[in-house]
Amino acid sequence: DIQMTQSPSSLSASVGDRVTITCRASQSISTYLNWYQQRPGKAPKLLIYAASSLQSGVPSRFSGSGSGTDFTLTISSLQPEDFATYYCQQSYGTPPLTFGGGTKVEIK
Amino acid sequence: EVQLEESGGGLAQPGRSLRLSCTASGFSFGDYGMNWFRQAPGKGLEWVGFIRNRAYGGTTDYAASVRGRFTISRDDSKSIAYLQMNSLKTEDTAVYYCTRDPRVVLAARGAYFDYWGQGTLVTVSS
Repeated sequence: DIQMTQSPSSLSASVGDRVTITCRASQSISTYLNWYQQRPGKAPKLLIYAASSLQSGVPSRFSGSGSGTDFTLTISSLQPEDFATYYCQQSYGTPPLTFGGGTKVEIK
Repeated sequence: EVQLEESGGGLAQPGRSLRLSCTASGFSFGDYGMNWFRQAPGKGLEWVGFIRNRAYGGTTDYAASVRGRFTISRDDSKSIAYLQMNSLKTEDTAVYYCTRDPRVVLAARGAYFDYWGQGTLVTVSS
């Protein structure tokens, strides 16, 4: 199975900050990488698919990049509603689909 | 509006069974593959399994942790996907989500999930 490693596992940031979350795959996954946001008690929400494609309705402050083994999710200007946990998910070596362990973004 | 709604969760004893349902609306259910995920309390997301659409044979695949115990099926006439969970273990305790893969393709490679249900909690305990 392909292992996905996210870093950091948590971070503290202020409204307006630029935030970057990284995700590393245990082998090359081309651009088969998706990002989700999960608020407490809620279902995950798709933000980015295929490494860099913005899901319809998602604010443009979210962006994704990378290919091969290294990927990033960037929030250009953190908003109050962005405080949540973020997960990367690969769909190259599937099944099984696998997720990173999550990055919790907290208010500084 | 696309909607997915899970039901059927609850408390079950180890070794017993539960069947979850995922009722879909707002899209042509039969055209799409459906996946199930779960999230144990305070933990990350885990893929459980998927079922392809009928055009691709309605075939299924499962995570190793549930293979042989869980079965996914679908009733396209009712727009419902099912997750039959047998021989439940305490480690199956989780919120279970159903999701839609918006691609109408055979290959699982490249899957992503644009709509998720609200989840249903399954607790396995004696």
